[in-house]
Amino acid sequence: SQQGEEDPQALSIQEGENATMNCSYKTSINNLQWYRQNSGRGLVHLILIRSNEREKHSGRLRVTLDTSKKSSSLLITASRAADTASYFCATLRGANNLFFGTGTRLTVIP
Amino acid sequence: DAGITQSPRYKITETGRQVTLMCHQTWSHSYMFWYRQDLGHGLRLIYYSAAADITDKGEVPDGYVVSRSKTENFPLTLESATRSQTSVYFCASRQEGRETQYFGPGTRLLVL
Repeated sequence: SQQGEEDPQALSIQEGENATMNCSYKTSINNLQWYRQNSGRGLVHLILIRSNEREKHSGRLRVTLDTSKKSSSLLITASRAADTASYFCATLRGANNLFFGTGTRLTVIP
Repeated sequence: DAGITQSPRYKITETGRQVTLMCHQTWSHSYMFWYRQDLGHGLRLIYYSAAADITDKGEVPDGYVVSRSKTENFPLTLESATRSQTSVYFCASRQEGRETQYFGPGTRLLVL
């Protein structure tokens, strides 16, 4: 069973708009990570936020974490067509078990 | 620098056959992982390895066997393939003490 669930399952926006994806999880975590997967490719790590952090930035990415609600959000600002991909949250339980959600499929329309 | 590679990229096999998926990484990462990706399930961990000759089960290990005789290689074997093992398989690796995993391009396996 998944540890994380993303919402929405699919999102379509115009280039230049912001995209927000949400992730909910069920148990205590050490950290939460976001990955991107382009069609037919492997996953690429985007950003990691630790359980004692509330917000983190990396370029056009902003991640928040609310451990009381067991939820996280990924914001991509000023989206580009190249951001079209599936985005997954993953939670680390223990030292090695990384549990992935089912992903949000983002389409950015030029 | 090749990074992490998987072979074959595509494989069609029949029920009951043995098939081995290969994973090779050039970073000397101590940890390696095998995941399967299915619609509606995201990625699920099959097996992982902390070092050569050290392996452990993940979330969905049944029907799979792994070995790790060399740090750089982590083959995944389906001893008797079943249709339910039709999936996309991803290998990943990470450094000791780091939390980011690096993924290979995947192997698409179809079991007829």
